[in-house]
Amino acid sequence: QVQLQESGPRLVKPSETLSLTCTVSGGSITNKNYYWAWIRQSPGKGLEWIGSIYFSGTTYYNPSLKSRITISVDTSKNQFSLNVNSVTATDTAIYYCARRFNGRGSQVFDYWGQGTLVTVSS
Amino acid sequence: DIQMTQSPSSLSASVGDKVTITCRASQSVSNYLNWYHQRPGKAPKLLIYAASSLQSGVPSRFSGSGSGTDFTLTISNLQPEDFATYYCQQSYSTPLTFGQGTRLDIK
Repeated sequence: QVQLQESGPRLVKPSETLSLTCTVSGGSITNKNYYWAWIRQSPGKGLEWIGSIYFSGTTYYNPSLKSRITISVDTSKNQFSLNVNSVTATDTAIYYCARRFNGRGSQVFDYWGQGTLVTVSS
Repeated sequence: DIQMTQSPSSLSASVGDKVTITCRASQSVSNYLNWYHQRPGKAPKLLIYAASSLQSGVPSRFSGSGSGTDFTLTISNLQPEDFATYYCQQSYSTPLTFGQGTRLDIK
């Protein structure tokens, strides 16, 4: 059974960088069938896809966030990470990491972490 | 971006009822439409993918249909654990986008 777990600071100051790591257990992040994704959820914007990464390092980002985000992968640790620069209060959200697979052509998030609430405040 | 609009935003039903939730895309997404539900304090859980394929382990009382711009999720014989918020998600094009959610409450 694949499990994902987010970790990182829960409180970030405005203008600083939000950094989160997702640790994958029960399966290899190098499995060629999957991408790995970050998704966030806030009261104001609902569920928002942030971006996805393949074990090779190929990334896909949401254009609305692309200028401020970086997603990276560390296959030796079975982890992938998210950095969001220059955060503001609107970046306050529950951040989820998830596994993405191709289900009959549809890109689907089948396993999710429990989520971590990150608050941007001074 | 493709906008996903769900209706209704909320509904109330009783255990044993049959309910239908609708998701409409701002442009065709073919059959690249997925459904999730989310219980309070938990992560979303995949129910249906590619419009009508039931995810492994999900009860058969959940079913999905549709293609193009209009999709439905039907839940037959509602069980207590089904009272949650339901989301659709398109994967036809990036950015991947979700509907705003439909909250299903116990009547």
